[in-house]
Amino acid sequence: TQLLEQSPQFLSIQEGENLTVYCNSSSVFSSLQWYRQEPGEGPVLLVTVVTGGEVKKLKRLTFQFGDARKDSSLHITAAQTGDTGLYLCAGAGEETSGSRLTFGEGTQLTVNP
Amino acid sequence: ETGVTQTPRHLVMGMTNKKSLKCEQHLGHNAMYWYKQSAKKPLELMFVYNFKEQTENNSVPSRFSPECPNSSHLFLHLHTLQPEDSALYLCASSRTGVGYGYTFGSGTRLTVV
Repeated sequence: TQLLEQSPQFLSIQEGENLTVYCNSSSVFSSLQWYRQEPGEGPVLLVTVVTGGEVKKLKRLTFQFGDARKDSSLHITAAQTGDTGLYLCAGAGEETSGSRLTFGEGTQLTVNP
Repeated sequence: ETGVTQTPRHLVMGMTNKKSLKCEQHLGHNAMYWYKQSAKKPLELMFVYNFKEQTENNSVPSRFSPECPNSSHLFLHLHTLQPEDSALYLCASSRTGVGYGYTFGSGTRLTVV
């Protein structure tokens, strides 16, 4: 069974601060995805990383895939209240077609004004 | 509009009732999924359909019965549920292959009384 551990589970910061969320596993993934979920809604895809060591930027969000494709991080610069939400990482196993995702428990981020 | 529509958004049912959840997508995706999201737990994969054929049943109790009449529609039939089945049920769709993300619906908040 592939497990993804996210840390921290909860994070409360002030607007303007920077933060990093981590996603770790002992398994190798063919790709890793990050989602953001708001209350009462389904998760929304933010990014997919496929290559070990890959770095992708989405405005103030920077995503990195570990060299060994076992871990990933999400860094947010100058957080805004609109960044509040549940951040989920999800990995696709190498042994499948790449479609079946295993999700982490999520990091609940609260950005206070 | 997320591209994946789930109905109903909220459902309260007794343990002896029979109800169905509906999911619809017109994104041209060939894979559809049912996930269960409970508090303090990672998203749990329930069923996977690929080109309307069930490719995975993740040891789900028989009181949950999926149906996929075509690649655009997915149902989850519910009968004799237990209170511990109360959760957010999420439908998602995707293309198959490495690196394709999921598009989730908004979910059905199910309460079993």
